[in-house]
Amino acid sequence: ETGVTQSPTHLIKTRGQQVTLRCSSQSGHNTVSWYQQALGQGPQFIFQYYREEENGRGNFPPRFSGLQFPNYSSELNVNALELDDSALYLCASSSGVAAGEQYFGPGTRLTVT
Amino acid sequence: DAKTTQPNSMESNEEEPVHLPCNHSTISGTDYIHWYRQLPSQGPEYVIHGLTSNVNNRMASLAIAEDRKSSTLILHRATLRDAAVYYCILRDYGGSQGNLIFGKGTKLSVKP
Repeated sequence: ETGVTQSPTHLIKTRGQQVTLRCSSQSGHNTVSWYQQALGQGPQFIFQYYREEENGRGNFPPRFSGLQFPNYSSELNVNALELDDSALYLCASSSGVAAGEQYFGPGTRLTVT
Repeated sequence: DAKTTQPNSMESNEEEPVHLPCNHSTISGTDYIHWYRQLPSQGPEYVIHGLTSNVNNRMASLAIAEDRKSSTLILHRATLRDAAVYYCILRDYGGSQGNLIFGKGTKLSVKP
């Protein structure tokens, strides 16, 4: 059974640029959630996708957007990058919105300069 | 979602039991208590969850107070690999969203 994978591992971007982060969910999981984790803080919920539809969003501006594909993999897009967007971006998959366990990937470390 | 309160840090000796406390005085009847942990340079990892009764699995035990206003995660024999940040999270299964609301957690250090 393949776990949750994320790419790339690390990324450096310049303020104002756009970035796309990718996540492959665990086999059999139809729900993907994205989280942002600043240094020294707990992860903060960005949004969740269930069967290709957005199913909930945290307190993040519209320049954070996402997609989920028919194979349940997902993308997180961030436009007009700001310095405060520097963080670890985590994706988690689960077998449904109400699943008791979420399985997290190792994350993508984004640095905005 | 109701909030949780955890100590910022705790220390333990290797091969001794560890009791990680969590207070959640405003918990509602439909809130489940979840524990996740995050090892250095990794994503969070599910540990255990429960509603009212104590729960055991291969990783840990969860002891829930009778009034459900507090809980304790128990690691029976700490190893160096258990050094991590432990998050206590309340999750309402009555809603349609499945997101987890993380606090700052408890940083557990394990001494050899």
